[in-house]
Amino acid sequence: GESVGLHLPTLSVQEGDNSIINCAYSNSASDYFIWYKQESGKGPQFIIDIRSNMDKRQGQRVTVLLNKTVKHLSLQIAATQPGDSAVYFCAEKTKGEYGNKLVFGAGTILRVKS
Amino acid sequence: NAGVMQNPRHLVRRRGQEARLRCSPMKGHSHVYWYRQLPEEGLKFMVYLQKENIIDESGMPKERFSAEFPKEGPSILRIQQVVRGDSAAYFCASSPQGQASGYTFGSGTRLTVV
Repeated sequence: GESVGLHLPTLSVQEGDNSIINCAYSNSASDYFIWYKQESGKGPQFIIDIRSNMDKRQGQRVTVLLNKTVKHLSLQIAATQPGDSAVYFCAEKTKGEYGNKLVFGAGTILRVKS
Repeated sequence: NAGVMQNPRHLVRRRGQEARLRCSPMKGHSHVYWYRQLPEEGLKFMVYLQKENIIDESGMPKERFSAEFPKEGPSILRIQQVVRGDSAAYFCASSPQGQASGYTFGSGTRLTVV
């Protein structure tokens, strides 16, 4: 069935370093992907998205890369800050019989060390 | 402009009781999605509703769970005869046109069954 998975459950980085969070997806028909950030006790917060007709998209300090050949998605965070500590989820849009819905991966915990 | 409002934030129920979780979508949003998150896991899709209609309930357990989104008032996720395995965080998201790009999540309801 459809699934979105992450390679690393926990990532620890030093403050100021760059972070890379990876995600593998299995549904080659997915055409839209989103990265969410979830802080403790809060709901998921949109970070950045990318459509399947793109390979790369940049935001403020964040970049998402999409490799459709190997069905891989990554989130790069530049100059990681303590406030970036959270759980990060990738999600893919799947088109079902009744419309679109997001399928989430298991999440990666990002810990930023000062 | 308030975001997606969920209440209560925390809910404790004894086994066998009923749990009612409420979600008020963002103003102007007519599509609501419910997700469940177990500790240390990702978000699992449960149900997608529009006003007065259930569009996709493929993620809902067959028994004890129901959802509605009436013409007036919030969306309600109802769990009857709760069991310990129902303990989780339940998140609601809304969008204006059912497009994944428009998802906004609430802060969730944390259900604890004792």
